[in-house]
Amino acid sequence: DTGVSQDPRHKITKRGQNVTFRCDPISEHNRLYWYRQTLGQGPEFLTYFQNEAQLEKSRLLSDRFSAERPKGSFSTLEIQRTEQGDSAMYLCASSFGIENTEAFFGQGTRLTVV
Amino acid sequence: DQQVKQNSPSLSVQEGRISILNCDYTNSMFDYFLWYKKYPAEGPTFLISISSIKDKNEDGRFTVFLNKSAKHLSLHIVPSQPGDSAVYFCAAPRGAGADGLTFGKGTHLIIQP
Repeated sequence: DTGVSQDPRHKITKRGQNVTFRCDPISEHNRLYWYRQTLGQGPEFLTYFQNEAQLEKSRLLSDRFSAERPKGSFSTLEIQRTEQGDSAMYLCASSFGIENTEAFFGQGTRLTVV
Repeated sequence: DQQVKQNSPSLSVQEGRISILNCDYTNSMFDYFLWYKKYPAEGPTFLISISSIKDKNEDGRFTVFLNKSAKHLSLHIVPSQPGDSAVYFCAAPRGAGADGLTFGKGTHLIIQP
């Protein structure tokens, strides 16, 4: 297993366009998280899944954001009608077992909205 | 509201000396803390953790100390090596019934040769 994989690594898009990011967690991990990191800040929690169920969404996640994890495997994060304020690093992490154990992060997708 | 605070954006330490990174927290209900290390263009990687039932946890060159009364923890790296240059994040579980972590803003550690 090569760890948590995210695709693409970089995305430049024009304001108003839709973008979708993919995360492939470590295969036996049942929990999957999405975070957003902006310059000078630590990662901020966006949402998480236990298997295929999305159990919580942060208030940071506006209606333009949607996340899915079909069949409890990979996950996608879609941003509709992107805004310049959406420019950030989007990080995916996964973990196994009980809540709040060590999470393994992917390398992230750097989004730039121009 | 930042529940985990790292007040030093950067720290410069000479190679071979001790690096001490500090973290304060506001929520006295936090009972588990983690340190993550992040290189540029990579995701954070887990470094070390500590449960509130302990006041110290050691793993090789890395030791984390927890002072519950002061709501303070610190990460000690001895001896510091060039490969330790990275951004270090302090984190804690978001709270009772809430999965995921809340992170500090990070401290950029620079190891000088």
